[in-house]
Amino acid sequence: DAGVIQSPRHEVTEMGQEVTLRCKPISGHNSLFWYRQTMMRGLELLIYFNNNVPIDDSGMPEDRFSAKMPNASFSTLKIQPSEPRDSAVYFCASSGGTYSETQYFGPGTRLLVL
Amino acid sequence: DQQVKQNSPSLSVQEGRISILNCDYTNSMFDYFLWYKKYPAEGPTFLISISSIKDKNEDGRFTVFLNKSAKHLSLHIVPSQPGDSAVYFCAASASSGNTGKLIFGQGTTLQVKP
Repeated sequence: DAGVIQSPRHEVTEMGQEVTLRCKPISGHNSLFWYRQTMMRGLELLIYFNNNVPIDDSGMPEDRFSAKMPNASFSTLKIQPSEPRDSAVYFCASSGGTYSETQYFGPGTRLLVL
Repeated sequence: DQQVKQNSPSLSVQEGRISILNCDYTNSMFDYFLWYKKYPAEGPTFLISISSIKDKNEDGRFTVFLNKSAKHLSLHIVPSQPGDSAVYFCAASASSGNTGKLIFGQGTTLQVKP
């Protein structure tokens, strides 16, 4: 049974470039979450979707960040333009099914913006 | 405004002894609590949870205690093993029965010495 899949696992880019992170949730889960982990702020929720609809995007730092969920099996988090302070590990998580409140995390994308 | 706090950034325990990780919360609307474990370069993995209608939940070596009046929960690991060395996050939700967002603490790094 595949868990949450994220790609790429590592991304190094230059300031000003567009970055797209991808996530495939666990099949059958109806909620998807994007988190960012930094040393300073810990694990913070950026946005979450329920049934492909964005429910709460209050954690999205600024307009440079956008997220989409075109269908139940795919989501993207885009940063345009990227800045060095965006360097962090970005996690995707999904939940639903029997234990609906338990979120299952992907392995994360480590982003470095130079 | 940190609603979930883990005041001890690190904890060191001898193998075979008990590890106690603590977590405090401020929001009285929280009604579901979870503990996650995170190894380096991996996403957080779900460990154990507890609903606010209970004060204890046990799963093998792991027990979570909830003290609602003190707004405090703790995770006990008995006996501790070197493989338990990881970062432990507590998380809380105010959406019992629904798939809502989790608020995470800053994490406690546990080191279990052989």
